[in-house]
Amino acid sequence: EIVLTQSPATLSLSPGERATLSCRASQSVSNYLAWYQQKPGQAPRLLIYDASNRATGIPARFSGSGSGTDFTLTISSLEPEDFAVYYCQQRSNWRTFGQGTKVEFK
Amino acid sequence: EVQLVESGGGLVQPGGSLRLSCEASGFSFSGYWMSWVRQAPGEGLEWVACINPAGSTTNSVDSMKGRFTISRDNAKNSLYLQMSGLRVEDTAVYYCVREFWAFGDYWGQGALVTVSS
Repeated sequence: EIVLTQSPATLSLSPGERATLSCRASQSVSNYLAWYQQKPGQAPRLLIYDASNRATGIPARFSGSGSGTDFTLTISSLEPEDFAVYYCQQRSNWRTFGQGTKVEFK
Repeated sequence: EVQLVESGGGLVQPGGSLRLSCEASGFSFSGYWMSWVRQAPGEGLEWVACINPAGSTTNSVDSMKGRFTISRDNAKNSLYLQMSGLRVEDTAVYYCVREFWAFGDYWGQGALVTVSS
């Protein structure tokens, strides 16, 4: 099983700041990695697929990068609606998620 | 508009069975892989099972094989998850998910399954 480790567990930032979230895989997943956003009481929403492609309707302030075992989700300038939990997910071998990073108000 | 609506959740005793349903609309259901993903209270996400468009190929996480069965009825635009031998640790919100290259591009609102005596 491919284990995804996200860091940090919690990121405390203010609106307008840049957020950088990390996801590390226990073995190479090529570029088969996605990022999701989940707000309380809601289903996850796909943000990024195949490491760097924005899903339909996702604002340009969200960007993804990386390949192999190290990946990054960047939110260039946090909007109030961006405070949420973010998960990475790989599809290289079955489908597994990271444990999540919470982006909270500082 | 793509919509996925789950039903069938509820309270069940340990060892019991439950069948979740998901009704899909707004897209060509028979053309997509579909999945179930679950989330225990206050926890992260876990992919449970997936099924190919024809319903001829399924896969599930090892810990649920033999207990959970995914199926579909393309004529009814519906996805199902038959769960048996339920355990307290199966308590979770179960999401119906449309797959896009093994990623989840559309999610239902979720069905809560509570396993408790």
